[in-house]
Amino acid sequence: EPEVTQTPSHQVTQMGQEVILRCVPISNHLYFYWYRQILGQKVEFLVSFYNNEISEKSEIFDDQFSVERPDGSNFTLKIRSTKLEDSAMYFCASSTATGELFFGEGSRLTVL
Amino acid sequence: SQKIEQNSEALNIQEGKTATLTCNYTNYSPAYLQWYRQDPGRGPVFLLLIRENEKEKRKERLKVTFDTTLKQSLFHITASQPADSATYLCALDISGGYNKLIFGAGTRLAVHP
Repeated sequence: EPEVTQTPSHQVTQMGQEVILRCVPISNHLYFYWYRQILGQKVEFLVSFYNNEISEKSEIFDDQFSVERPDGSNFTLKIRSTKLEDSAMYFCASSTATGELFFGEGSRLTVL
Repeated sequence: SQKIEQNSEALNIQEGKTATLTCNYTNYSPAYLQWYRQDPGRGPVFLLLIRENEKEKRKERLKVTFDTTLKQSLFHITASQPADSATYLCALDISGGYNKLIFGAGTRLAVHP
């Protein structure tokens, strides 16, 4: 069964450092997303991406965040200067146009 | 203010019984509502989607209802099994189909043998 894969599974970084989280969406999907979940809290929308541009973004997705689809298979989330409060599980997801999201297993980011 | 609420307490039921989980929302007019399952430390897994013009949807042992007047969705698991133990998340699309989903906090279900 096709799946969304994410790397790394866990990343520890120092505050102020740049982090790139990588995702390989399901190959025939056209819509890509990043969500995050702070430990013990709700899953929160960050950004959606379609046709090589951002479709929607949340208030969380400020200038520190960026997304890119550098080639035909990868979808990345970059955090330029990490803060302690960026510590969370980051989920990549993809979909066709039907609304059903397929999530990856997440990348746990710990900012020290 | 906009809210989406799920039973905050864990739901404990005996194997074989029907589990019913509730999702209430205020000040949204979602085009559709989705239910996901999440196991500890893992990503959400899609279960069912129901549109605003649908009253009920079924998939195997799962059933979801959607009442846009009451602003409520009910999620039922019939003939529950210990393997159904997980957290179940309700999610509303508030972007008219662009999958900007607002998730509830989830209800933890524990099915006991």
